[in-house]
Amino acid sequence: DAGVIQSPRHEVTEMGQEVTLRCKPISGHNSLFWYRQTMMRGLELLIYFNNNVPIDDSGMPEDRFSAKMPNASFSTLKIQPSEPRDSAVYFCASSLDRQQPQHFGDGTRLSIL
Amino acid sequence: DQQVKQNSPSLSVQEGRISILNCDYTNSMFDYFLWYKKYPAEGPTFLISISSIKDKNEDGRFTVFLNKSAKHLSLHIVPSQPGDSAVYFCAASGGPGGSYIPTFGRGTSLIVHP
Repeated sequence: DAGVIQSPRHEVTEMGQEVTLRCKPISGHNSLFWYRQTMMRGLELLIYFNNNVPIDDSGMPEDRFSAKMPNASFSTLKIQPSEPRDSAVYFCASSLDRQQPQHFGDGTRLSIL
Repeated sequence: DQQVKQNSPSLSVQEGRISILNCDYTNSMFDYFLWYKKYPAEGPTFLISISSIKDKNEDGRFTVFLNKSAKHLSLHIVPSQPGDSAVYFCAASGGPGGSYIPTFGRGTSLIVHP
Protein backbone atom coordinates (compact mmCIF):
# COMPACT_ATOMS: atom_id res chain seq x y z
CA ASP A 1 0.00 0.00 0.00
CA ALA A 2 1.95 3.01 -1.29
CA GLY A 3 1.87 6.13 0.80
CA VAL A 4 2.33 9.71 -0.30
CA ILE A 5 5.39 9.89 -2.52
CA GLN A 6 7.49 13.03 -2.75
CA SER A 7 10.44 13.78 -4.98
CA PRO A 8 13.18 14.69 -4.80
CA ARG A 9 14.05 13.82 -1.19
CA HIS A 10 16.84 16.37 -1.17
CA GLU A 11 17.45 19.40 -3.36
CA VAL A 12 20.41 21.73 -3.21
CA THR A 13 20.48 24.61 -5.65
CA GLU A 14 21.73 28.13 -6.02
CA MET A 15 19.77 31.24 -5.33
CA GLY A 16 17.75 32.40 -8.32
CA GLN A 17 17.17 28.94 -9.74
CA GLU A 18 13.74 27.47 -10.28
CA VAL A 19 12.82 24.63 -7.93
CA THR A 20 10.04 22.12 -8.55
CA LEU A 21 8.85 19.75 -5.85
CA ARG A 22 6.61 16.84 -6.77
CA CYS A 23 3.98 14.86 -4.95
CA LYS A 24 1.91 11.78 -5.69
CA PRO A 25 -0.97 11.45 -3.21
CA ILE A 26 -2.52 8.20 -2.05
CA SER A 27 -4.90 6.87 -4.66
CA GLY A 28 -8.49 7.75 -3.85
CA HIS A 29 -7.63 10.67 -1.60
CA ASN A 30 -9.50 13.83 -2.56
CA SER A 31 -7.58 16.40 -0.54
CA LEU A 32 -3.94 17.36 -0.94
CA PHE A 33 -1.88 19.68 1.21
CA TRP A 34 1.53 21.32 0.95
CA TYR A 35 3.34 22.24 4.17
CA ARG A 36 6.65 23.88 4.98
CA GLN A 37 8.57 23.11 8.17
CA THR A 38 11.19 25.49 9.57
CA MET A 39 12.72 25.92 12.99
CA MET A 40 11.31 29.43 13.24
CA ARG A 41 7.72 28.78 12.20
CA GLY A 42 7.17 25.05 12.71
CA LEU A 43 4.82 23.27 10.33
CA GLU A 44 2.82 25.75 8.29
CA LEU A 45 0.21 25.09 5.63
CA LEU A 46 1.02 26.63 2.25
CA ILE A 47 -1.92 25.51 0.13
CA TYR A 48 -4.53 22.83 -0.06
CA PHE A 49 -6.50 21.32 -2.93
CA ASN A 50 -9.84 19.55 -2.86
CA ASN A 51 -10.70 17.44 -5.90
CA ASN A 52 -7.73 19.01 -7.73
CA VAL A 53 -9.01 22.55 -7.17
CA PRO A 54 -6.98 24.98 -5.03
CA ILE A 55 -9.20 25.93 -2.09
CA ASP A 56 -6.94 27.96 0.19
CA ASP A 57 -3.58 29.38 -0.83
CA SER A 58 -3.39 32.03 1.87
CA GLY A 59 -0.31 30.36 3.31
CA MET A 60 1.73 30.75 0.13
CA PRO A 61 4.40 33.23 1.21
CA GLU A 62 4.65 35.28 -1.98
CA ASP A 63 4.25 35.25 -5.73
CA ARG A 64 7.46 33.33 -6.17
CA PHE A 65 5.56 30.27 -4.95
CA SER A 66 3.02 28.48 -7.10
CA ALA A 67 1.29 25.10 -6.89
CA LYS A 68 -0.65 23.04 -9.37
CA MET A 69 -2.63 19.84 -9.34
CA PRO A 70 -3.27 18.88 -12.96
CA ASN A 71 -4.88 15.56 -12.01
CA ALA A 72 -5.81 13.49 -8.97
CA SER A 73 -2.47 11.70 -8.84
CA PHE A 74 0.05 14.52 -9.15
CA SER A 75 0.86 17.90 -7.72
CA THR A 76 3.80 20.29 -7.95
CA LEU A 77 5.06 23.13 -5.82
CA LYS A 78 7.28 25.54 -7.70
CA ILE A 79 9.55 28.31 -6.41
CA GLN A 80 10.85 30.78 -8.96
CA PRO A 81 13.22 32.43 -8.30
CA SER A 82 14.42 30.64 -5.19
CA GLU A 83 16.02 32.46 -2.25
CA PRO A 84 18.09 31.21 0.72
CA ARG A 85 15.17 31.90 3.10
CA ASP A 86 13.15 29.27 1.22
CA SER A 87 15.41 26.59 2.70
CA ALA A 88 13.17 24.23 4.67
CA VAL A 89 11.58 20.80 4.61
CA TYR A 90 8.50 20.73 2.40
CA PHE A 91 5.85 18.11 3.08
CA CYS A 92 2.99 16.97 0.95
CA ALA A 93 0.02 15.26 2.60
CA SER A 94 -3.23 13.77 1.38
CA SER A 95 -6.47 12.66 2.99
CA LEU A 96 -9.69 10.94 1.97
CA ASP A 97 -11.40 14.24 2.48
CA ARG A 98 -10.51 17.40 4.32
CA GLN A 99 -12.07 16.11 7.56
CA GLN A 100 -9.95 12.97 7.76
CA PRO A 101 -6.44 12.71 9.25
CA GLN A 102 -3.72 13.48 6.77
CA HIS A 103 -1.11 11.07 5.47
CA PHE A 104 2.25 12.75 4.98
CA GLY A 105 5.05 12.05 2.57
CA ASP A 106 8.62 11.90 3.84
CA GLY A 107 9.31 15.45 2.69
CA THR A 108 11.78 17.25 0.47
CA ARG A 109 14.71 18.89 2.23
CA LEU A 110 15.44 22.03 0.22
CA SER A 111 18.64 24.02 0.58
CA ILE A 112 19.09 27.25 -1.36
CA LEU A 113 22.69 28.46 -1.37
CA ASP B 1 0.12 34.25 17.15
CA GLN B 2 0.17 30.52 17.83
CA GLN B 3 -3.26 29.03 18.27
CA VAL B 4 -1.85 25.64 19.23
CA LYS B 5 1.01 25.61 21.70
CA GLN B 6 3.28 22.83 22.87
CA ASN B 7 5.27 24.58 25.55
CA SER B 8 7.72 21.77 26.25
CA PRO B 9 10.18 21.40 23.37
CA SER B 10 11.49 18.15 24.82
CA LEU B 11 10.71 15.42 27.33
CA SER B 12 12.90 12.64 28.65
CA VAL B 13 11.38 9.51 30.20
CA GLN B 14 12.61 6.14 31.40
CA GLU B 15 11.43 3.02 29.57
CA GLY B 16 8.35 1.54 31.20
CA ARG B 17 7.24 4.81 32.77
CA ILE B 18 4.45 7.11 31.64
CA SER B 19 5.07 9.87 29.08
CA ILE B 20 2.74 12.86 29.24
CA LEU B 21 2.82 15.34 26.39
CA ASN B 22 0.82 18.53 26.75
CA CYS B 23 -0.87 20.88 24.33
CA ASP B 24 -2.80 24.12 24.83
CA TYR B 25 -5.01 25.93 22.35
CA THR B 26 -6.50 29.39 22.28
CA ASN B 27 -9.35 29.10 19.77
CA SER B 28 -12.47 27.91 21.63
CA MET B 29 -14.06 26.98 18.29
CA PHE B 30 -11.63 24.12 17.73
CA ASP B 31 -13.61 20.88 17.96
CA TYR B 32 -11.31 18.15 16.66
CA PHE B 33 -7.84 17.39 17.92
CA LEU B 34 -5.12 15.11 16.63
CA TRP B 35 -1.69 13.86 17.61
CA TYR B 36 0.96 13.01 15.07
CA LYS B 37 4.28 11.28 15.60
CA LYS B 38 7.36 12.06 13.53
CA TYR B 39 10.63 10.14 13.22
CA PRO B 40 13.72 11.85 11.74
CA ALA B 41 13.77 12.05 7.94
CA GLU B 42 10.14 10.88 7.77
CA GLY B 43 6.83 12.66 7.54
CA PRO B 44 4.43 12.95 10.49
CA THR B 45 2.21 9.91 11.05
CA PHE B 46 -1.28 10.15 12.47
CA LEU B 47 -1.46 8.63 15.94
CA ILE B 48 -4.76 9.34 17.66
CA SER B 49 -7.57 11.91 17.63
CA ILE B 50 -10.39 13.13 19.81
CA SER B 51 -13.59 15.03 19.14
CA SER B 52 -14.74 17.80 21.45
CA ILE B 53 -17.79 15.74 22.41
CA LYS B 54 -15.47 13.38 24.29
CA ASP B 55 -12.96 13.93 27.05
CA LYS B 56 -10.92 10.77 26.55
CA ASN B 57 -9.93 8.48 23.73
CA GLU B 58 -7.78 5.41 24.12
CA ASP B 59 -5.88 3.28 21.62
CA GLY B 60 -3.61 0.67 23.11
CA ARG B 61 -0.80 2.35 25.00
CA PHE B 62 -1.91 5.80 23.84
CA THR B 63 -4.63 7.87 25.51
CA VAL B 64 -5.60 11.43 24.71
CA PHE B 65 -7.40 13.55 27.29
CA LEU B 66 -9.29 16.73 26.47
CA ASN B 67 -10.16 19.46 28.97
CA LYS B 68 -12.30 21.92 27.05
CA SER B 69 -12.71 24.41 29.88
CA ALA B 70 -8.95 24.69 30.22
CA LYS B 71 -8.38 24.46 26.44
CA HIS B 72 -5.86 21.76 27.13
CA LEU B 73 -5.19 18.29 25.84
CA SER B 74 -2.60 15.73 26.72
CA LEU B 75 -1.25 12.51 25.27
CA HIS B 76 -0.35 9.73 27.68
CA ILE B 77 1.88 6.86 26.62
CA VAL B 78 1.92 3.92 29.03
CA PRO B 79 4.26 2.13 29.23
CA SER B 80 6.80 4.15 27.26
CA GLN B 81 9.13 2.24 24.95
CA PRO B 82 12.41 3.32 23.30
CA GLY B 83 10.65 3.08 19.91
CA ASP B 84 8.32 5.87 21.05
CA SER B 85 11.25 8.30 20.84
CA ALA B 86 10.09 10.82 18.24
CA VAL B 87 8.68 14.31 17.85
CA TYR B 88 4.99 14.54 18.71
CA PHE B 89 2.80 17.19 17.12
CA CYS B 90 -0.52 18.31 18.47
CA ALA B 91 -3.04 19.66 15.93
CA ALA B 92 -6.49 21.21 16.16
CA SER B 93 -9.22 21.98 13.63
CA GLY B 94 -12.63 23.65 13.53
CA GLY B 95 -13.33 27.29 14.13
CA PRO B 96 -15.23 30.00 12.30
CA GLY B 97 -16.70 28.67 9.11
CA GLY B 98 -15.88 25.13 10.15
CA SER B 99 -12.35 24.97 8.81
CA TYR B 100 -11.27 21.35 8.82
CA ILE B 101 -7.66 22.16 8.11
CA PRO B 102 -5.61 21.45 11.24
CA THR B 103 -3.34 23.98 12.88
CA PHE B 104 -0.18 22.34 14.20
CA GLY B 105 1.84 23.00 17.31
CA ARG B 106 5.64 23.22 17.14
CA GLY B 107 6.13 19.70 18.50
CA THR B 108 7.64 18.03 21.56
CA SER B 109 10.65 15.78 21.20
CA LEU B 110 10.23 12.67 23.36
CA ILE B 111 13.24 10.58 24.31
CA VAL B 112 12.61 7.27 26.03
CA HIS B 113 15.73 5.89 27.69
CA PRO B 114 16.22 2.12 27.93
